[in-house]
Amino acid sequence: NAGVTQTPKFQVLKTGQSMTLQCAQDMNHEYMSWYRQDPGMGLRLIHYSVGAGITDQGEVPNGYNVSRSTTEDFPLRLLSAAPSQTSVYFCASSYSIQHSTDTQYFGPGTRLTVL
Amino acid sequence: GENVEQHPSTLSVQEGDSAVIKCTYSDSASNYFPWYKQELGKGPQLIIDIRSNVGEKKDQRIAVTLNKTAKHFSLHITETQPEDSAVYFCAASISNAGKSTFGDGTTLTVKP
Repeated sequence: NAGVTQTPKFQVLKTGQSMTLQCAQDMNHEYMSWYRQDPGMGLRLIHYSVGAGITDQGEVPNGYNVSRSTTEDFPLRLLSAAPSQTSVYFCASSYSIQHSTDTQYFGPGTRLTVL
Repeated sequence: GENVEQHPSTLSVQEGDSAVIKCTYSDSASNYFPWYKQELGKGPQLIIDIRSNVGEKKDQRIAVTLNKTAKHFSLHITETQPEDSAVYFCAASISNAGKSTFGDGTTLTVKP
């Protein structure tokens, strides 16, 4: 298993540009989440999904969109990039209630810089 | 919503000493408390977790304790080694909710 994969690893955008951060998992996990990590602020939840076709907002959703059309993929879209979105983005996945485990598995991250 | 506070933000110990990191949470409904280790340039990785029906859990040199009444849980690392140097995060969540609230992290440095 590759686990949780994220692409790209690094990205530089100009203010106002849009882009999609890709996340995929091959562990058949039902739950997937996006977090952003800023210096000294831990990980903050952007959006999460408890299954295909179901998404919900986290703590800091503004400026981001998500969709979950398949169990494996959970892309994060930046609609109009702003310097405040400069951060490291992590995707995570975990089992659902029927597997009785909450362990989240994280991807390697995408380092995004918005100029 | 849930709020998790983590202390200290930095911790430096000599190799072989013990390290303790403490977290408090605000939502009494939270019942799952994982600890993650993050090495430079990598994603967080689970090292130990505890549920609210357990007061203590141990895995070799790592242990976690939970005080539900005080809404407080701690990570204990004994006989620290240089490879323990990393950023450690605590988190709190409601089991099977699919999301967690994280503390701000503790940078642990183990000096040889």
